[in-house]
Amino acid sequence: AQSVTQLDSHVSVSEGTPVLLRCNYSSSYSPSLFWYVQHPNKGLQLLLKYTSAATLVKGINGFEAEFKKSETSFHLTKPSAHMSDAAEYFCVVSREYGNKLVFGAGTILRVKS
Amino acid sequence: NAGVTQTPKFQVLKTGQSMTLQCAQDMNHNSMYWYRQDPGMGLRLIYYSASEGTTDKGEVPNGYNVSRLNKREFSLRLESAAPSQTSVYFCASRLAGGLWEQFFGPGTRLTVL
Repeated sequence: AQSVTQLDSHVSVSEGTPVLLRCNYSSSYSPSLFWYVQHPNKGLQLLLKYTSAATLVKGINGFEAEFKKSETSFHLTKPSAHMSDAAEYFCVVSREYGNKLVFGAGTILRVKS
Repeated sequence: NAGVTQTPKFQVLKTGQSMTLQCAQDMNHNSMYWYRQDPGMGLRLIYYSASEGTTDKGEVPNGYNVSRLNKREFSLRLESAAPSQTSVYFCASRLAGGLWEQFFGPGTRLTVL
């Protein structure tokens, strides 16, 4: 069965420093993986998706993620954090041809000025 | 395009009361979904409708019913609300087939007293 584990419930960075949000997945076959972002009191927005075309995936707002099969990881990175990046981030794996998304517990990113 | 819309935005119920959460999308998507979000648990799938005329249970269907009214609309009903159903409810939709991402509505914050 597919599952995801987000390794940090909270991450705090200073503005202008790199961001790393960690995600490990478990899947019995080649997975489709997503990162979604949720700003306070808002719905979820897709940041990026991996569907086996390329292992390094670029998303919106300068975020990218690298799929590493040997490590079963799909970590989210950004070279330089901005105050507007403060939000909750979810790593998600797809099941049943996209009909079922399995969410990680979420990582709350805090950006300090 | 409004995308995915949900009504109401907020609702307070007493234990045992019933209510229906409404969801509509204007993106001509085939599939629609209902999730609940609880702190530290990510989003969990309640029910989904892969196409008009079909509905299926997700991870946490107990205490809920759904209706796919037409291609645009998918409603979630609580017949007898319980405090354990206090949560934020999100509706989502996507194109069927492939691994297209799900698009989320803004959410309904429900409190059951």
